[in-house]
Amino acid sequence: DTEVTQTPKHLVMGMTNKKSLKCEQHMGHRAMYWYKQKAKKPPELMFVYSYEKLSINESVPSRFSPECPNSSLLNLHLHALQPEDSALYLCASSQFATGVHYGYTFGSGTRLTVV
Amino acid sequence: AQKVTQAQTEISVVEKEDVTLDCVYETRDTTYYLFWYKQPPSGELVFLIRRNSFDEQNEISGRYSWNFQKSTSSFNFTITASQVVDSAVYFCALSLQGAQKLVFGQGTRLTINP
Repeated sequence: DTEVTQTPKHLVMGMTNKKSLKCEQHMGHRAMYWYKQKAKKPPELMFVYSYEKLSINESVPSRFSPECPNSSLLNLHLHALQPEDSALYLCASSQFATGVHYGYTFGSGTRLTVV
Repeated sequence: AQKVTQAQTEISVVEKEDVTLDCVYETRDTTYYLFWYKQPPSGELVFLIRRNSFDEQNEISGRYSWNFQKSTSSFNFTITASQVVDSAVYFCALSLQGAQKLVFGQGTRLTINP
């Protein structure tokens, strides 16, 4: 199994809703990432988990709350989002937690629309 | 600080033409890694190639080839005999030794017209 699976693929939510994005990998990778990508822009790093611990938070607003329940699973909890949070949310994993030497394996993303 | 520049925002060619996507990077570190990713309309970023800073050998994989030149800090990507399925956004990226972050270029949107 050489892929990262993200669910749901599409999500529309209101500004008062609470929702969660899910990401799963079974490659034994030790680091997992959340990226946010706006249209016509490169991905922007949000969070990094290394060995299931949060190692990087790129000053992301608290309405985004990551969680790593185990080495294969990564969640992103969403609450009180704004329309400008609408974007493609990408999950990725990498083999080692000590550096992205071998690149990431990305999931296909969740297209989030906040109304 | 590290930076990746993809000066070509959009490229449009006719099928079967050869096309080169440019990537210029900046870093003061001597150990680093360079990557190319393809992002088709479906959204997933697909890994194409990785190259470390000590390996300046060019690489060919089918219709794809990469030219890494440290002297000009460039890592260019050429598609030979382009096909419509090559239409996508292509990102060049850089990572430092021990870093957990990829620094992406702004991407080049490639359109191959039939």
